[in-house]
Amino acid sequence: EAGVAQSPRYKIIEKRQSVAFWCNPISGHATLYWYQQILGQGPKLLIQFQNNGVVDDSQLPKDRFSAERLKGVDSTLKIQPAKLEDSAVYLCASSSGSGGYNEQFFGPGTRLTVL
Amino acid sequence: KQEVTQIPAALSVPEGENLVLNCSFTDSAIYNLQWFRQDPGKGLTSLLLIQSSQREQTSGRLNASLDKSSGRSTLYIAASQPGDSATYLCAVIYGGATNKLIFGTGTLLAVQP
Repeated sequence: EAGVAQSPRYKIIEKRQSVAFWCNPISGHATLYWYQQILGQGPKLLIQFQNNGVVDDSQLPKDRFSAERLKGVDSTLKIQPAKLEDSAVYLCASSSGSGGYNEQFFGPGTRLTVL
Repeated sequence: KQEVTQIPAALSVPEGENLVLNCSFTDSAIYNLQWFRQDPGKGLTSLLLIQSSQREQTSGRLNASLDKSSGRSTLYIAASQPGDSATYLCAVIYGGATNKLIFGTGTLLAVQP
């Protein structure tokens, strides 16, 4: 079974530029998560989708971050404009559902450096 | 506020030593607790999942315990090996509709050959 795929793996941009990350979850997984992991910290949930609807985006900085999950499969996370403090690893995860506990499977992450 | 703390932040041990990693959480009304391993440049790998009704889980050389009343969990690694070197993260789930994992800050483990 293929795992969660993410691209690109690394990205370096200047502040105020825009950037987009892509995630392809495990086939059949209805729930998709985006986490931000700043160096030296644990991952923090940014947004959770159930199919193509948003379940939780309470910690998403909506003035600069946006995410979508068209057709309930792939997802993109966008930052516009980027700030220095956005430098982090962005992890995508998926699970088969959100009722009760459904184990989350993580992708390799995208490491973003904002200069 | 629901917080998860891990101690120590970093640990270096010689190969073959047994070791304990600690995780504490502020709200004892957890649904599950999960331990992950994170290797540099890679995603998170689940090691052990403890449901709120359980007190421990074991997998090979790993044993995780859960004490909800004191808000603590420990991850015990027996006979450590250099391949165990990684960052270990614990995460709690408080239930509800979102299935959201709240992570600790991690413990960076180095096992010296």
